[in-house]
Amino acid sequence: QKEVEQNSGPLSVPEGAIASLNCTYSDRGSQSFFWYRQYSGKSPELIMSIYSNGDKEDGRFTAQLNKASQYVSLLIRDSQPSDSATYLCAVTRSGGSNYKLTFGKGTLLTVNP
Amino acid sequence: DTEVTQTPKHLVMGMTNKKSLKCEQHMGHRAMYWYKQKAKKPPELMFVYSYEKLSINESVPSRFSPECPNSSLLNLHLHALQPEDSALYLCASSQAISETQYFGPGTRLLVL
Repeated sequence: QKEVEQNSGPLSVPEGAIASLNCTYSDRGSQSFFWYRQYSGKSPELIMSIYSNGDKEDGRFTAQLNKASQYVSLLIRDSQPSDSATYLCAVTRSGGSNYKLTFGKGTLLTVNP
Repeated sequence: DTEVTQTPKHLVMGMTNKKSLKCEQHMGHRAMYWYKQKAKKPPELMFVYSYEKLSINESVPSRFSPECPNSSLLNLHLHALQPEDSALYLCASSQAISETQYFGPGTRLLVL
């Protein structure tokens, strides 16, 4: 069973639409959840972190966490062509291996002008 | 400021060469990491330093040798690499070992 799962995409949305990116994780003891954006050939850039159930908003981005369903999502409102990138979901496990960021394989998002 | 810097940006080396990758942060972070990322794959953890001590080695071959000279610097010494070691090498840092990690721009390595 994969530890962090994401739909690899590509997810294609028109400019101005809402892009919805989803991630599920297998470890119920996971404590911290992150979304990174990675442009082709570049390094991952932190977009959002979320630690408790509910929504967290930052500008056009909203992260949603549901620990009971082991599900975390990222919504991008008013999508722009510059949002086109791979979005990596990452989870920090609890306990002895809490140093380790476990990444999903990433979802490629394309925003069409 | 959440800046992690890495040098060089690009590196081409032969299988018999010895080279080093450098990483620097001035955020007062006490945990630093090396990752390897192949194309279309997520980053893969290699090493973790916490308070300048090697905490984790994720079973990385000995041709990769990390070094943490001080709390701001992290090096990765490379020797006798193989072509399959060609990848983007990423450095990251965090305030402590379980905190949010910030990535540097990476070094694109090509082994011929």
